[in-house]
Amino acid sequence: SAVISQKPSRDICQRGTSLTIQCQVDSQVTMMFWYRQQPGQSLTLIATANQGSEATYESGFVIDKFPISRPNLTFSTLTVSNLSPEDSSIYLCSVGGERGTGELFFGEGSRLTVL
Amino acid sequence: QKEVEQNSGPLSVPEGAIASLNCTYSDRVSQSFFWYRQYSGKSPELIMSIYSNGDKEDGRFTAQLNKASQYVSLLIRDSQPSDSATYLCAVNWGSGNTPLVFGKGTRLSVIA
Repeated sequence: SAVISQKPSRDICQRGTSLTIQCQVDSQVTMMFWYRQQPGQSLTLIATANQGSEATYESGFVIDKFPISRPNLTFSTLTVSNLSPEDSSIYLCSVGGERGTGELFFGEGSRLTVL
Repeated sequence: QKEVEQNSGPLSVPEGAIASLNCTYSDRVSQSFFWYRQYSGKSPELIMSIYSNGDKEDGRFTAQLNKASQYVSLLIRDSQPSDSATYLCAVNWGSGNTPLVFGKGTRLSVIA
């Protein structure tokens, strides 16, 4: 499976600021997926990031709040804007397996705490 | 609305016993099914995948799929304290590289 690196691994931010999370993959992938895991909850898909096109957002997530960049086939960023304490979560980048059989692999996650 | 349901637990089993984790899903038109293990503070780790009805075994883990009943399960034999984690069931309703829908997870505690 691909090696997926996320930065930062954790951060503490003030209300009203923004945080950009980086995801680097060691191989070229068509699609990257950004998930959020709120405390004690399961994973919720934020958006699908395709290289060369706008990200596709899930219901309840909007581009102004969660802008995503996908400049090439190995890299993506997720920005969480205008932070509030409700944004305190783990944000996870994921990619599909090389065999294309449906499994996803995850980065280490970025733990965000908003004060 | 595609949904994946799991009992949140906690499920407590003694060391050496069989742990049985269950998952149901809402839509028959589903392609593939996965079990992830997530230790506290860590990201999910894929442990099993299953694509067709029946059982699939990998070491101490057995995944079972019944598409007619929309039911998938994970059995862990000879449970160890190191198996204590949250187990997430995930379903892919697409094909190839499409996102997964996750259940809320079942927290398993193996008591030594």
